[in-house]
Parts: sequence; structure tokens; C-alpha cells
Amino acid sequence: RKEVEQDPGPFNVPEGATVAFNCTYSNSASQSFFWYRQDCRKEPKLLMSVYSSGNEDGRFTAQLNRASQYISLLIRDSKLSDSATYLCVVNTNAGNNRKLIWGLGTSLAVNP
Amino acid sequence: SAVISQKPSRDICQRGTSLTIQCQVDSQVTMMFWYRQQPGQSLTLIATANQGSEATYESGFVIDKFPISRPNLTFSTLTVSNMSPEDSSIYLCSVRQGTNTEAFFGQGTRLTVV
Repeated sequence: RKEVEQDPGPFNVPEGATVAFNCTYSNSASQSFFWYRQDCRKEPKLLMSVYSSGNEDGRFTAQLNRASQYISLLIRDSKLSDSATYLCVVNTNAGNNRKLIWGLGTSLAVNP
Repeated sequence: SAVISQKPSRDICQRGTSLTIQCQVDSQVTMMFWYRQQPGQSLTLIATANQGSEATYESGFVIDKFPISRPNLTFSTLTVSNMSPEDSSIYLCSVRQGTNTEAFFGQGTRLTVV
């Protein structure tokens, strides 16, 4: 099982649609979680951290379920500019091994 | 967030040569990392750059191939040595301020080895 697994995608949705991405992680000792956005030929940029109680930033909502080792990202009212690859990232602090584990990413295309 | 300048932004190199990539941060940062991202793939951590000591390499990466320097808390270099076409990739410098904090990236170096 991969340490971080994401929906394979790609997702093609019309403008205004609501789209949800899922991510599971294998290490129960993981302590912090993030969603990043990566545009084509660009570096990843932090979209939002994921908190235990869930958090919202405008049209974006992130949820964490520690019991199921599951993270989600919901995008409401999709815009053309939301088209990108979304990366699920898990920070694993297990002993002396502390590093970010990156999912393969889910591609989103928002169509007019 | 820190401002990270990485250069060169791209290069085309002959096989057998070496390329050194520089990463400059506008403030002192606790942790610096080097990643590789091959086409259609996610990020793979090459190593953690340790200030004043040898870098910590991930499985599959060795110092002879990817020597790393970090002379201070704002600067690091990654060298890709004796390049082959398989080294063609995007190389990314990343920084974090703590073990539970988010990562920030330089703009990346797009390397093509011919």
C-alpha cells in the first residue's frame, strides 16, 4: 500500500460545479496534513493546511478523519482558474524519520 | 512565507557533465530539502540539506551522484554529477521552519540531459 494515495483523476467538471478529492494515508503516526496546488510547469504551492476539526477557506474546505486515515478537499463553485493538479501531503513523524510524503496528485480541469 | 530563489531555472546539458543548482532564501530557515519531480510523477525527496554537515540522503540517492552543500541557514546547492538522460527532471529546493509546518518551494530547475 502506498503511504499516500489519491484519487487517480483526471476530473473534468464544468464551471460552477462542486468537486471533491480524497486522500488516504497509511501511517497512523502522521501528525500534520496539507493540500498543495501545482500548476503545469510550476512549483507546488500551499493551498491549505488540514486541521483536525476541519477548516474552510473561501470555496475550499478540508476535512481530516484520523480514525479512517482519510483527508478530503472540497471545491465549491469551481472556476476555470482552479484547473491544476492537487497534491495531498502528509507529514510523518515516526521516530527520527520526519518528512513530507507526497501523493501523486489529482488533476482537475474546469471547463467553460 | 520565505522567498526562495532557485537558479538556473532551466538548462540543457551534455551527458557526463555536472550541473550545480543554487537555492537562496531571503531569511534563515530551519530545514532545507532537495526534491526531484519526473514527468507525470509526484515529488521524490532526494535529501535533507544540513547546515555545516553532510546531507541526509533518502534511499536510492547517494552523495557521489548528488553532492549537496549548505554553508549557512539561507543557502544550499545541489549538484547533479555525471549526468545521463535519466537525470532529466525538475529539481526543486524546499524549506520548512519546523517539523510540523508546511513546505515552500523555489521555482524549480528544469534539467534536460542530452
